Parts: sequence; C-alpha cells; structure tokens
Amino acid sequence: GAVVSQHPSWVICKSGTSVKIECRSLDFQATTMFWYRQFPKQSLMLMATSNEGSKATYEQGVEKDKFLINHASLTLSTLTVTSAHPEDSSFYICSASKPGTEGTEAFFGQGTRLTVV
Amino acid sequence: AQSVTQLDSQVPVFEEAPVELRCNYSSSVSVYLFWYVQYPNQGLQLLLKYLSGSTLVESINGFEAEFNKSQTSFHLRKPSVHISDTAEYFCAVSHQGAQKLVFGQGTRLTINP
Repeated sequence: GAVVSQHPSWVICKSGTSVKIECRSLDFQATTMFWYRQFPKQSLMLMATSNEGSKATYEQGVEKDKFLINHASLTLSTLTVTSAHPEDSSFYICSASKPGTEGTEAFFGQGTRLTVV
Repeated sequence: AQSVTQLDSQVPVFEEAPVELRCNYSSSVSVYLFWYVQYPNQGLQLLLKYLSGSTLVESINGFEAEFNKSQTSFHLRKPSVHISDTAEYFCAVSHQGAQKLVFGQGTRLTINP
C-alpha cells in the first residue's frame, strides 16, 4: 500500500478567517491529488483535481477563489478555505494517485473536519 | 458521464448473518470498480477493487464483490459479519485510464449483537 497523511485532522476557526489543510504522500510521489468534501451522512463530492506544478482543475460549482489549491511538490498539496463561513463546515478528504501494475490506485488521507463558528 | 447508485442507505443485520450491499453503475465506457470502507471520523480505506480479469474479487477480511457487466452491478457480500464491520461503505467507479472517482451515496452497515 501507500500512505497519505492529512493535517490537521480537525480544526475550528472563526467565521471570516482562512484555514489551510495539508495532504502529503509519505512514501510515493503523486503528480495528481484530489480534494473531496463530505457532508454529514452523505457521499464524497469531488471538489478539484490538484496537479503538481500547474493550476488545479475545479469541478462545476466549486468556487476556485474560495478553495485555493496549491500542489507545489510531488508529495504535498494544500487546500486553503478562504474567508470561511459556517456553511463551509464539512469533512474534507484528499486522495493521491499512485500508478501500479494494475492501473492507478487512489489512497486517501484520514480527512479533516472543519468547523466554522 | 458516470454515476453510481447504492440502493440502500442503511442496512442493519445481526452478527454472524450474511449481508449484501448493492451497487449499480452507469457508464458508456469501460470502468474500474471499487468498494471503500469508512469508519467514523476517518478517511476511506480500499476494501477491494475490480480492474480486469476474474469478475469475483475478494478482500482479506472476508468480503467479496462480483462484477456483473450485463447488470452493471458490483454488489458487496460477506457470508458472516462481525461487530467490527460496522461502518459506512462506498462503491466507486472510474474510467479505465482515468483517476477521478465517482462515489455512490454510501450504505451504513450496522451490526447488531
């Protein structure tokens, strides 16, 4: 397998502030990482695809100016929630793709629970 | 476009009983299929996957799933569940050669003693 680490695992912030979430691939290089959002008791919704060295590709309906994604190295992608509001409270999960002998497999971080108060 | 439907949002079963979690997908191209498990406040762990070859795939903890192309299904089964299997289970699909995953709505499996 492979390890993807997400930090922090939970964060509480005040409305109007910004929060940065890190996603690291610990034992492999990931040219592509993905950011998902999960509301309580719901499925994961893809927010954006993070590509190392280039701009992220956002899914329809996701505000790219609000959810800033940076993939500066092959092992680190960051998601910054800018000017957070209570409706941004959610569980954010990243995944990193690792090529394998049978195709590419996605490995997930442990998730970050964001609460905006 | 691809989509995944998990027909049951919740499945309660008794310990040591068999269970089936249903998953159907739609896609106009060949796909890879996955089952992930999520324990409370944690990320997703891959349970098993179908990429090619044998249509019956198994996990190390007794789960199995069968890819049925004609019925576009990938149902997950276990002949005898344990309390520790209590979790949320997600079915997912991706294009062959692509990396984006499309998830189903999830099925909450609850095991009662």
